[in-house]
Amino acid sequence: AQTVTQSQPEMSVQEAETVTLSCTYDTSESDYYLFWYKQPPSRQMILVIRQEAYKQQNATENRFSVNFQKAAKSFSLKISDSQLGDAAMYFCAYRSGIQGAQKLVFGQGTRLTINP
Amino acid sequence: EAGVTQFPSHSVIEKGQTVTLRCDPISGHDNLYWYRRVMGKEIKFLLHFVKESKQDESGMPNNRFLAERTGGTYSTLKVQPAELEDSGVYFCASSQVRGALNTEAFFGQGTRLTVV
Repeated sequence: AQTVTQSQPEMSVQEAETVTLSCTYDTSESDYYLFWYKQPPSRQMILVIRQEAYKQQNATENRFSVNFQKAAKSFSLKISDSQLGDAAMYFCAYRSGIQGAQKLVFGQGTRLTINP
Repeated sequence: EAGVTQFPSHSVIEKGQTVTLRCDPISGHDNLYWYRRVMGKEIKFLLHFVKESKQDESGMPNNRFLAERTGGTYSTLKVQPAELEDSGVYFCASSQVRGALNTEAFFGQGTRLTVV
């Protein structure tokens, strides 16, 4: 079975600084997807960024980028120029690449605080 | 377009009582998922509907949990009788089916269940 580990329960960063959230996973599959989700307080969880395992290039979405190290099974999220609105719980998630596989396997989450 | 909505947002019940959680997916989304996060731990998959059929219910913890999706629209998750360990946040998500592609899952804001 696949597992996802987020070793940082809480992180904080000064506004406008850069922060990196860690995520490692374990799988025997070669084809899969990795995700970072963000859940602001009392609001819906939204997808921040997605990475296909077969792609060597790291995904980027504006201020959000990932460092995907397939051999090390590591998938960290970097947030540049942190903003107050980035404060949230961040969840790393894995989904198998097997056709029809739908369920997500999540990590424990990292609570990110942005200090003004 | 309305997102995934869940009712209620919070529920406090006594041990032994029954609670029913409801999820309204995004219109047209055939896939519907239930997940649960017990305090401080990872979000865990409970089950997956495709329209009204249970595709995967491997994550359901025991027979005190009953999920239904009559007519393939909204879904309910009933816990009867509730136990203290059932406390947590219950998330619902939905996604489209597009051939062989797994499309993005959209989440609701969750229902926080507290059993006292």
